[in-house]
Amino acid sequence: AQSVSQHNHHVILSEAASLELGCNYSYGGTVNLFWYVQYPGQHLQLLLKYFSGDPLVKGIKGFEAEFIKSKFSFNLRKPSVQWSDTAEYFCAVSGYNNNDMRFGAGTRLTVKP
Amino acid sequence: DGGITQSPKYLFRKEGQNVTLSCEQNLNHDAMYWYRQDPGQGLRLIYYSQIVNDFQKGDIAEGYSVSREKKESFPLTVTSAQKNPTAFYLCASSSEAGWDTGELFFGEGSRLTVL
Repeated sequence: AQSVSQHNHHVILSEAASLELGCNYSYGGTVNLFWYVQYPGQHLQLLLKYFSGDPLVKGIKGFEAEFIKSKFSFNLRKPSVQWSDTAEYFCAVSGYNNNDMRFGAGTRLTVKP
Repeated sequence: DGGITQSPKYLFRKEGQNVTLSCEQNLNHDAMYWYRQDPGQGLRLIYYSQIVNDFQKGDIAEGYSVSREKKESFPLTVTSAQKNPTAFYLCASSSEAGWDTGELFFGEGSRLTVL
């Protein structure tokens, strides 16, 4: 079965700092990769996704992620974080059929104003 | 508005009792999922269903049961066999298992506390 590892449990940054959240996955086949975000008091929502093609994908609110197949990684990045980016971020992976999505443990991001 | 409705939002249960969490979606999605969210463990897949009258176990199915008699409904029963049922439960759905965007749409969740 596939699994997802997120390296950082809690990241604290000041506004305008750059962000990189690590995500590694284990899966023996074609994968689809996702980052979801959960803002305080809100539903989980999709930030960005990778299915195929350009390994650098761009999502909402200036986030991007790079799929590096050789490293089984899908790290999330943002050049300059804002206080409103404070949230919990989840990396997820699914197989080709998208029917059994697995999530990482999540990384809580706190951005200080 | 289209979306996923979970009920109840908060539920208290005595040990030894079964409890059923409701999940309804009006997005016309084929696939539905139940996850359990615990601090520091992220979301763990309990059960998922790709089509009506069919469902598969996820990673932590023991002590849980589901049914999928209607496309829009995917109730989860937490049985007395579940050893540590106190948790936050999330229901999700996605369109066409296989060829679509794969994006999951989540409900607001149900928080179950066993007393």
